[in-house]
Amino acid sequence: DQQVKQNSPSLSVQEGRISILNCDYTNSMFDYFLWYKKYPAEGPTFLISISSIKDKNEDGRFTVFLNKSAKHLSLHIVPSQPGDSAVYFCAASDSNTGKLIFGQGTTLQVKP
Amino acid sequence: DTEVTQTPKHLVMGMTNKKSLKCEQHMGHRAMYWYKQKAKKPPELMFVYSYEKLSINESVPSRFSPECPNSSLLNLHLHALQPEDSALYLCASSQVSGIGYEQYFGPGTRLTVT
Repeated sequence: DQQVKQNSPSLSVQEGRISILNCDYTNSMFDYFLWYKKYPAEGPTFLISISSIKDKNEDGRFTVFLNKSAKHLSLHIVPSQPGDSAVYFCAASDSNTGKLIFGQGTTLQVKP
Repeated sequence: DTEVTQTPKHLVMGMTNKKSLKCEQHMGHRAMYWYKQKAKKPPELMFVYSYEKLSINESVPSRFSPECPNSSLLNLHLHALQPEDSALYLCASSQVSGIGYEQYFGPGTRLTVT
């Protein structure tokens, strides 16, 4: 049973436009969420996080939105750059154990 | 410095070999993790160490044996592995274990079992 889902395996956007990556979760015990970026042959790199007491967190070009009632979060990247091309993982932290549960990932391609 | 280092970068081993993966961080983090990642899949948690004590074992087979000699080092000892154990093994650390603390990942060790 997949508790964190990223339903879009891939996304392609034009440089300068907005990239929107989506993530859904099923477990209401999750109350901290993170986005990681992964290049091939490298470990995931932490991007941005959000606590369930907030609905938005912004860091430069990256903004994460959380809709608790819908159990949905999204990562907005604006403007998108070719260097943003990577696999993006959404992760949720279990409030009991702190364990990270990852989604399947979305491959973002930003075209020049 | 948010660096987690892992050695070796690549490892090829036979099913009867014994080998070890090493992970090091100097961020003063007191929680360290091992994950396994298969191709086109998300990382899957294997073990969590909190203050040098094993706190979570995700029902990992005994052919994988973790060790935390001190707060900066984490090892994963491998013995009698199977070809299906071939994967990218990722180490991560966080300030402490628990909610609200970002995990920082190393580059991983690409393991091939022949």
